[in-house]
Amino acid sequence: DTAVSQTPKYLVTQMGNDKSIKCEQNLGHDTMYWYKQDSKKFLKIMFSYNNKELIINETVPNRFSPKSPDKAHLNLHINSLELGDSAVYFCASSQDRGQLYEQYFGPGTRLTVT
Amino acid sequence: AQTVTQSQPEMSVQEAETVTLSCTYDTSESDYYLFWYKQPPSRQMILVIRQEAYKQQNATENRFSVNFQKAAKSFSLKISDSQLGDAAMYFCAYSSYNQGGKLIFGQGTELSVKP
Repeated sequence: DTAVSQTPKYLVTQMGNDKSIKCEQNLGHDTMYWYKQDSKKFLKIMFSYNNKELIINETVPNRFSPKSPDKAHLNLHINSLELGDSAVYFCASSQDRGQLYEQYFGPGTRLTVT
Repeated sequence: AQTVTQSQPEMSVQEAETVTLSCTYDTSESDYYLFWYKQPPSRQMILVIRQEAYKQQNATENRFSVNFQKAAKSFSLKISDSQLGDAAMYFCAYSSYNQGGKLIFGQGTELSVKP
């Protein structure tokens, strides 16, 4: 059984397009995250939701908008894609925030903007 | 702001030998958690080991152990009896409740294992 799943795993699109990445977890966790891994493999938090409430919104362009329809889902919508948005995007979930609970990561979505 | 630094971009170890990956962090918080994550070529992020800052005892998980020096803000990972499957990118990470539970990652260390 997949704990944290993301769709799609690969996404190739042109500049200016709008795209969404979906994330689902079947672990019953309360908190979900989006991380971005750049071309140098550096990982950085983008957003975090706890029980559908946005609790972390790092310095991310307004073109990125997360949406959490329920506790098990956290989607990422990106408007007007730019070349610099090319990266691997990871969704993660944990039982609670700020505790010693493991964050379970999805397989990542490699986004390529041409 | 909290920062995590991994000063070794690449490390290499002979199979069956021991290797230590370094990590330092900066924080003014007293209650926090430290992690080592492994990312093999498959891209999947895998938790290797975790440490609560309030615990003096170093965490161990089979062949993996840490050397946690709270005063020095150092958190190194020791891999004993290295195996070919240990080859991966290793990330040191910091988390705390005050930071909303987000993981703050170091730059990563690419570990290669020679047969």
